[in-house]
Amino acid sequence: EDQVTQSPEALRLQEGESSSLNCSYTVSGLRGLFWYRQDPGKGPEFLFTLYSAGEEKEKERLKATLTKKESFLHITAPKPEDSATYLCAVASGGSNYKLTFGKGTLLTVNP
Amino acid sequence: DGGITQSPKYLFRKEGQNVTLSCEQNLNHDAMYWYRQDPGQGLRLIYYSQIVNDFQKGDIAEGYSVSREKKESFPLTVTSAQKNPTAFYLCASSLTGSTGELFFGEGSRLTVL
Repeated sequence: EDQVTQSPEALRLQEGESSSLNCSYTVSGLRGLFWYRQDPGKGPEFLFTLYSAGEEKEKERLKATLTKKESFLHITAPKPEDSATYLCAVASGGSNYKLTFGKGTLLTVNP
Repeated sequence: DGGITQSPKYLFRKEGQNVTLSCEQNLNHDAMYWYRQDPGQGLRLIYYSQIVNDFQKGDIAEGYSVSREKKESFPLTVTSAQKNPTAFYLCASSLTGSTGELFFGEGSRLTVL
């Protein structure tokens, strides 16, 4: 059974204080790792897809990286509008492309 | 603008009543999904459909039913058999069934009194 563990559960930063969120996973044959952002009371919004160890993707102040066991979402000089819950999900081998989601990290950026 | 529309946004029902949540997409996506989100838990897959007139059970399908008669529509019925139906329900779609890039609706919050 695929497992995804995100840490920390919650993170509070000051504006401009860079940090990283962690997503560790256990799957049988990784087909893709996905990061989403979710604002309170809204549906998640897709951010990145990573397929293989060593791959990196960037978008504004966010950079996602992938190793064979975990992924990091690095947030550089965050702003209050980056406050959200960040979700990690994996898709593993098999004929059905089903995602397994982690519980998320609630990020709060104070001005 | 293309997107996914879920309705209603909030719904209150009494125990024992069936409830149907609507999900419509105009993205021309083949695949559609229903997830349930509870506080402190990850999103859990209820049902998914990769093509019209076909759907499969997800991890927590008991007490739920779906239909996919049109490409654009994937309604979810929460039946009286669902033991703990109060939750935030999310509908999503993807271009095909072989991608993890999902587009989500705004969600429907169901409260059973």
